[in-house]
Amino acid sequence: LAKTTQPISMDSYEGQEVNITCSHNNIATNDYITWYQQFPSQGPRFIIQGYKTKVTNEVASLFIPADRKSSTLSLPRVSLSDTAVYYCLVGDRMDSSYKLIFGSGTRLLVRP
Amino acid sequence: NAGVTQTPKFRVLKTGQSMTLLCAQDMNHEYMYWYRQDPGMGLRLIHYSVGEGTTAKGEVPDGYNVSRLKKQNFLLGLESAAPSQTSVYFCASSYGGAEDTEAFFGQGTRLTVV
Repeated sequence: LAKTTQPISMDSYEGQEVNITCSHNNIATNDYITWYQQFPSQGPRFIIQGYKTKVTNEVASLFIPADRKSSTLSLPRVSLSDTAVYYCLVGDRMDSSYKLIFGSGTRLLVRP
Repeated sequence: NAGVTQTPKFRVLKTGQSMTLLCAQDMNHEYMYWYRQDPGMGLRLIHYSVGEGTTAKGEVPDGYNVSRLKKQNFLLGLESAAPSQTSVYFCASSYGGAEDTEAFFGQGTRLTVV
């Protein structure tokens, strides 16, 4: 199972773009990269998933370089409500032993 | 469509008591998971299931047992509760396989063992 490394915390201000990078040096060929968001007292919520290059949805963008050893979650123009913990997960979604392991995550604080 | 529902939402146990947490999903998902989350920490996987009748150990399985007798339900049991099991417990489910793009989580069960 590929190990992921993320910054423990980040600070930002409303209206700024926030980029959270996750390192996964031993990512395997069939592994996908998935990001989740968790607010206090709630279960995590899926944000975005990708395999390579760039993926964009209504919430965020995910940038994955060619070597796939890292990925960057980009949140455009954050608001106070984006204050949460963000988790990066890596795994082979075709593998029935893929355990959906969460690391410590990145605690994002958005200030007024 | 209720999604993932956990029962109960709150519970206080005395040391040594037993209890069962119920997770129910109505999305016909194959995979189900139980996690615990301690204050200020990430989620840790307790047990998971990749289909009806199957279970497997996660990162922190000791002190817990699970059963998946029906596809839509995943039960987490504590046979003899200990104060170290005080935590928030989350259940999740996903399609699994090629369609496994995201997992859906319940609202959590806050358990206190005194």
